[in-house]
Amino acid sequence: GQQLNQSPQSMFIQEGEDVSMNCTSSSIFNTWLWYKQEPGEGPVLLIALYKAGELTSNGRLTAQFGITRKDSFLNISASIPSDVGIYFCAGVDNAGNMLTFGGGTRLMVKP
Amino acid sequence: GAGVSQSPSNKVTEKGKDVELRCDPISGHTALYWYRQSLGQGLEFLIYFQGNSAPDKSGLPSDRFSAERTGGSVSTLTIQRTQQEDSAVYLCASSPGGGFVYEQFFGPGTRLTVL
Repeated sequence: GQQLNQSPQSMFIQEGEDVSMNCTSSSIFNTWLWYKQEPGEGPVLLIALYKAGELTSNGRLTAQFGITRKDSFLNISASIPSDVGIYFCAGVDNAGNMLTFGGGTRLMVKP
Repeated sequence: GAGVSQSPSNKVTEKGKDVELRCDPISGHTALYWYRQSLGQGLEFLIYFQGNSAPDKSGLPSDRFSAERTGGSVSTLTIQRTQQEDSAVYLCASSPGGGFVYEQFFGPGTRLTVL
């Protein structure tokens, strides 16, 4: 099946630093989504991207849908302790029938 | 309003036993999804219900896994003759419907441990 490669697998940063993570695929996706999961909770949708080249912001978060439709990145500016969690990318294929998730990026923020 | 709820939050069972996991979607959401999340891994799609249509079972890993959705609302995921490799967090999500809607709302999950 389709695979989403998400990197880095984990990050340990200082509060106030900017963060960048990305997802790549060998296949084209029509929609990219970014979720955050906190311990003991289900993932929560952060940003949805529907068009190649689209750049969308949600507060301190910015995500882009790559022009090739095979990649996406998520940036977090001026990180704070509550940004801690696992961030997942997810893509929807041409058939629109399945959401494929990346392996996640575990973010840890040191106050 | 109330979000997606799942029960139990934790389940420990012995190998070979059957288990049932329950999901209550957001009221009015017609689409419901089950995923499995193994430790440190991403989410693996299991099954998808949309209204009264036949479910998409393409992600179920074996015939020991089955799911029902009664009255278009509550869903139960059943795992028969559990194996240790079934240990994972089982997540349920719902969305407003209209096909495979991507903005899914997740429950907190059920952590299943098979001894």
